[in-house]
Amino acid sequence: EVQLLESGGGLVQPGGSLRLSCAASGFTFSTYAMSWVRQAPGKGLEWVSSISGSGGNTYYADSVKGRFTISRDNSRNTLYLQLNSLRAEDTALYYCAKVTTLDAYGDLDFDYWGQGALVTVSS
Amino acid sequence: SYELTQPPSVSVAPGQTASITCSGDKLGYKYVSWYQQKSGQSPVVIIHQDTKRPSGIPERFSGSNSGNTATLTISGTQSMDEADYYCQAWDSSTDVVFGGGTKLTVL
Repeated sequence: EVQLLESGGGLVQPGGSLRLSCAASGFTFSTYAMSWVRQAPGKGLEWVSSISGSGGNTYYADSVKGRFTISRDNSRNTLYLQLNSLRAEDTALYYCAKVTTLDAYGDLDFDYWGQGALVTVSS
Repeated sequence: SYELTQPPSVSVAPGQTASITCSGDKLGYKYVSWYQQKSGQSPVVIIHQDTKRPSGIPERFSGSNSGNTATLTISGTQSMDEADYYCQAWDSSTDVVFGGGTKLTVL
């Protein structure tokens, strides 16, 4: 059974940093791309970032480019998202999602989602 | 940048057919996925690659994609289908893109 378990969310002041983790199990982690998708309170889904199975290729939404960094440790079956220079508009539930392909570029979709980690940016 | 447009809300009577549209430029040339998100829960994929249903998804859910519009059709809608529905595609200019979501109400 595929499981994705996010952790690391919390309350942070504007300008602060946070690191989210997503522990994966139930599939061969290194053979699938992974993504982060966020959802602001009461709003829709917004793609944040993707990383290829090897970790060699990363992609970001313009809204987070230069501030967020996606990475993965295939030996630990764990996905990360480093959030820096946080803004109020980054407040959201951050989902870890498994991509159905090895590559994170091109037609892709998500077959499994975690429960999400809540990030609140407020002073 | 590429955008996907969905109606904010759709209402349907129990047992009837609900159709939720997703519009984008030349969308028919892209693969579209649909996700169902019930209140307080994580999204679940119900259609991928335009028309394919993952295992465990009821047959009453179907998808199509042509021209500039993809459509999610729910036949014989049940009260348990009340949820938010999101379409999703990929474009080289914006990478992954989601529609704004459609709230389905089963009256």
